[in-house]
Amino acid sequence: AQRVTQPEKLLSVFKGAPVELKCNYSYSGSPELFWYVQYSRQRLQLLLRHISRESIKGFTADLNKGETSFHLKKPFAQEEDSAMYYCALRAVSGGSNYKLTFGKGTLLTVNP
Amino acid sequence: EPEVTQTPSHQVTQMGQEVILRCVPISNHLYFYWYRQILGQKVEFLVSFYNNEISEKSEIFDDQFSVERPDGSNFTLKIRSTKLEDSAMYFCASILAGAYGYTFGSGTRLTVV
Repeated sequence: AQRVTQPEKLLSVFKGAPVELKCNYSYSGSPELFWYVQYSRQRLQLLLRHISRESIKGFTADLNKGETSFHLKKPFAQEEDSAMYYCALRAVSGGSNYKLTFGKGTLLTVNP
Repeated sequence: EPEVTQTPSHQVTQMGQEVILRCVPISNHLYFYWYRQILGQKVEFLVSFYNNEISEKSEIFDDQFSVERPDGSNFTLKIRSTKLEDSAMYFCASILAGAYGYTFGSGTRLTVV
């Protein structure tokens, strides 16, 4: 079974400060990790996936298999980053599934 | 950019009534999903659908739930006899194939009274 843990329910930082949203996972196979963002009253949007290793809106995340972590980082937070962030893990079973397992989410508030 | 469309955005129903939540996935996508999010809780997997059949369902997806893709475009979730605890935001999602990320719909907020 797979599990995703986001230990912080709420995170509040000031504009311009660095931000790190923590994500740890548990999965016996080789995982695929994602970060999704949900701005107020909007749909879940894909922010990052570990296999693409790209930077979106200044956010990066590195998969650390030794620590089973996929923390999301941004060096300088902006007010428009305020949103709910979900870490998610995808496992494949039977070759026709690709379901996601989500963490509980972290609500990031960036104060002016 | 193509979108997954869900209707209605909000539905209120009486306990025991049947509801159908509708989704129009992206046209060339092959894998379809329903997730739900009870207020204040995490997003939970309900069911995956591929090649016109359910490929996996969670323990939440009991006999009261069913999914259909009747016409090749709509993807529906039916709850036969709603309970108070079915009140949640229901998200539809689709992917082209396993190598791709999900596209989520904007959700249907179901309120059972």
